[in-house]
Amino acid sequence: QQQVKQSPQSLIVQKGGISIINCAYENTAFDYFPWYQQFPGKGPALLIAIRPDVSEKKEGRFTISFNKSAKQFSLHIMDSQPGDSATYFCAASATDKLIFGTGTRLQVFP
Amino acid sequence: GAGVSQSPRYKVTKRGQDVALRCDPISGHVSLYWYRQALGQGPEFLTYFNYEAQQDKSGLPNDRFSAERPEGSISTLTIQRTEQRDSAMYRCASSLTGYKETQYFGPGTRLLVL
Repeated sequence: QQQVKQSPQSLIVQKGGISIINCAYENTAFDYFPWYQQFPGKGPALLIAIRPDVSEKKEGRFTISFNKSAKQFSLHIMDSQPGDSATYFCAASATDKLIFGTGTRLQVFP
Repeated sequence: GAGVSQSPRYKVTKRGQDVALRCDPISGHVSLYWYRQALGQGPEFLTYFNYEAQQDKSGLPNDRFSAERPEGSISTLTIQRTEQRDSAMYRCASSLTGYKETQYFGPGTRLLVL
C-alpha cells in the first residue's frame, strides 16, 4: 500500500512533442505528490508538486494532472526539448517520508 | 547559496568494515533525510530528523544501520560490518521545515563494498 507505481520505464520523444509519465498509488492518506527530475550524476531536484485539492497544476511547459478517484497522477511535458532528457520520478507522501516511483528515463531527440 | 553537501563522494570498503557517511544540509534547514538509491531505481527512504531528533527510522534495513544528528545540523549515517548488498548510492536531503516542503538533495555518496 506504500508503493507508487510509475510507467513507462523509458520514453523516447521527438523535439516539440508531448511527454507523458503516469503514476498510481493505493494509500489514500497520501496528500502531497511531487515530481523530481534527475540528470546523470546529480541528485533529484523538485520539478513541480501538487496537493489533492486541485486537479491540475501548470508551471511553464510542465503540468501535473491529478485524478483523486482513480488514485492516479501524471506529468505532461509540452514542447519537449533535448534539455529535458533526464530521469523523472513521481513521489507521494502522507508524512515527511517521500515514497518514490521507480523512475522514467526520458530521451528527447532533435 | 550552498546546497546540500555529502562526503565522501565515493567510498570503497571491504566487507566487514564500518563506514560513516556525512551530510551537511542547507544552513537553517530543520529537516534532514537519508535515502538509498539503487542504480535505475528511485530513492528509498531510510530515516529523517527534525533538528537533532530522529523522527522516523522505519526505512533502516537492519540494526547495522544507524544515523545521528547531534547538534541539529550535520548528520552521519553509519553502516557497521558492511556487506556487499549495502553497495548503493546514499543520498541526503534537507528541507526548511519538513512535511510538504521541497526536499533538496545532495550529490550522494557512492558506496562500494568489496
